[in-house]
Amino acid sequence: AQKVTQAQTEISVVEKEDVTLDCVYETRDTTYYLFWYKQPPSGELVFLIRRNSFDEQNEISGRYSWNFQKSTSSFNFTITASQVVDSAVYFCALSEAQGGSEKLVFGKGMKLTVNP
Amino acid sequence: EPEVTQTPSHQVTQMGQEVILRCVPISNHLYFYWYRQILGQKVEFLVSFYNNEISEKSEIFDDQFSVERPDGSNFTLKIRSTKLEDSAMYFCASSAREADTQYFGPGTRLTVL
Repeated sequence: AQKVTQAQTEISVVEKEDVTLDCVYETRDTTYYLFWYKQPPSGELVFLIRRNSFDEQNEISGRYSWNFQKSTSSFNFTITASQVVDSAVYFCALSEAQGGSEKLVFGKGMKLTVNP
Repeated sequence: EPEVTQTPSHQVTQMGQEVILRCVPISNHLYFYWYRQILGQKVEFLVSFYNNEISEKSEIFDDQFSVERPDGSNFTLKIRSTKLEDSAMYFCASSAREADTQYFGPGTRLTVL
């Protein structure tokens, strides 16, 4: 069964600090996809990144970076030099490609507050 | 940039009433989804829809729920007889291909009184 665990529920940092959001997943499939979504206070879900299980390369996009490690079933997200606009709830999600299921299974989310 | 749209943004209804939530997926997308998020909780899958039929549904998606693609652009979620516990944010999403990135609409906040 699919499962996504975001152990941290809430983090508060001061602007310009780096912050890492942890995500651990469980799946029996060998082919799967991992995602991060951002939910700002306005409530919408904003797609940040998609990774497939065969691509363990870390990715950097501006101040955002992602570390995917299959050995520990983790897909962690780091925000460098955080800004107030980064304040949001961040969700990690998993989709299994095999068996015809396209649903996303979300973690419980982690609320990040960046204070000026 | 194409986006998923949803109407209304907020719906208030009385318990037992029927509601229809509307979504316009991204135009070239083929897979459609509904999710819900009870206030302060995680996002939960309800149903996926492809080729004019349900491809998967969760335990939440019981007989009170139905989905429809009445024309080439709209995708609707109907709740036949709303309960207090149906109060939540309902998100529509679409993707171009199977297991592709799902893009979410802004959500409809449903309040059942």
